[in-house]
Amino acid sequence: QQQVKQSPQSLIVQKGGISIINCAYENTAFDYFPWYQQFPGKGPALLIAIRPDVSEKKEGRFTISFNKSAKQFSLHIMDSQPGDSATYFCAGGRGSARQLTFGSGTQLTVLP
Amino acid sequence: KAGVTQTPRYLIKTRGQQVTLSCSPISGHRSVSWYQQTPGQGLQFLFEYFSETQRNKGNFPGRFSGRQFSNSRSEMNVSTLELGDSALYLCASSFDGARETQYFGPGTRLLVL
Repeated sequence: QQQVKQSPQSLIVQKGGISIINCAYENTAFDYFPWYQQFPGKGPALLIAIRPDVSEKKEGRFTISFNKSAKQFSLHIMDSQPGDSATYFCAGGRGSARQLTFGSGTQLTVLP
Repeated sequence: KAGVTQTPRYLIKTRGQQVTLSCSPISGHRSVSWYQQTPGQGLQFLFEYFSETQRNKGNFPGRFSGRQFSNSRSEMNVSTLELGDSALYLCASSFDGARETQYFGPGTRLLVL
């Protein structure tokens, strides 16, 4: 199975700090890399996504960095806030398959 | 615009029973995907439907099945339930598939005793 490996499993950051979550993928056919945020009792919600033709995408405090040659991508959360405390999932998708392969998730805790 | 709705939200069944879960996608969305979420295996793709046709299927046994109706609403069925089927079952809708934003519902939490 084509996996997406995500690390770390859990992350504790002080308020105002930078949270960094990393993912590595195997399937070079992936052409869509979203990040989802999930709060307890809720379904995942799309946070930000990138396609492999760009190396970085920024939306507010959230940035995806993408390294195609290394088959890695990461999520940076700047100025982390307690409200960012949630589980974050990276994923890879390819249009023809119409499915997402998710990483194992990172539980982020931002301390006040 | 209303989000993805799933019913029921919680369900308790016993081994050997069968269960049917329902998903109503966002209005205008024609693609519905189903995922299973467990602490051990994470989020795993079950299948995807588009215009009443299953376009893609994940690596799950035949006990897991689904269908989509002409109004894009979808159901998934699990027959002969096993303890390991206890999970959060998530439905996601999009206009057309994985390269577009998939909007997830809140899920149905199934407990098999």
